[in-house]
Amino acid sequence: SQKIEQNSEALNIQEGKTATLTCNYTNYSPAYLQWYRQDPGRGPVFLLLIRENEKEKRKERLKVTFDTTLKQSLFHITASQPADSATYLCALDQYTGGFKTIFGAGTRLFVKA
Amino acid sequence: DGGITQSPKYLFRKEGQNVTLSCEQNLNHDAMYWYRQDPGQGLRLIYYSQIVNDFQKGDIAEGYSVSREKKESFPLTVTSAQKNPTAFYLCASSQSRESGNTIYFGEGSWLTVV
Repeated sequence: SQKIEQNSEALNIQEGKTATLTCNYTNYSPAYLQWYRQDPGRGPVFLLLIRENEKEKRKERLKVTFDTTLKQSLFHITASQPADSATYLCALDQYTGGFKTIFGAGTRLFVKA
Repeated sequence: DGGITQSPKYLFRKEGQNVTLSCEQNLNHDAMYWYRQDPGQGLRLIYYSQIVNDFQKGDIAEGYSVSREKKESFPLTVTSAQKNPTAFYLCASSQSRESGNTIYFGEGSWLTVV
């Protein structure tokens, strides 16, 4: 079955720098890959969706890439701010007689002022 | 405002008790989900429903039960058969179960066994 791997170690960066988070998956490439943000004790919030035929997607300071050869997605936050500190989850759909969305464990990001 | 409302936010359960977590959505979404989140782990799917009066087991359905009598409501019962129920529970919905649908989450419910 499909598995998602995200770096379990927290990422600490300085304000103003670019944060880069990695999402690797096994097996087949999904048609879509999504990124969510989760604050402590809150539900995840959708950020971006990228399709398999898209190499890159941007939204304000966010950029997502999707490399189906490497089976990897990179999530970038440019000009990072302390308010960007959160856990970022990667998600993709797995087909098992119907589509099921599976989530990675997430990577915790700390942006220091 | 449109969204998903979960209640209660915090719930304590005694050994041997069943408890029910409420989930209501006013997004007019067809699909609804229950996920469980444990520290350091990804979200694990408990149950999902694509349409009223129909639901399917997810990856960790044992010890849980659900109902979908109304489109906007999808309550989750944690039964005494669930041996390790202490966790953060998230209800979610999406327009449909088609691939690529954005999933909208509630604020979550913390369940603790005392």
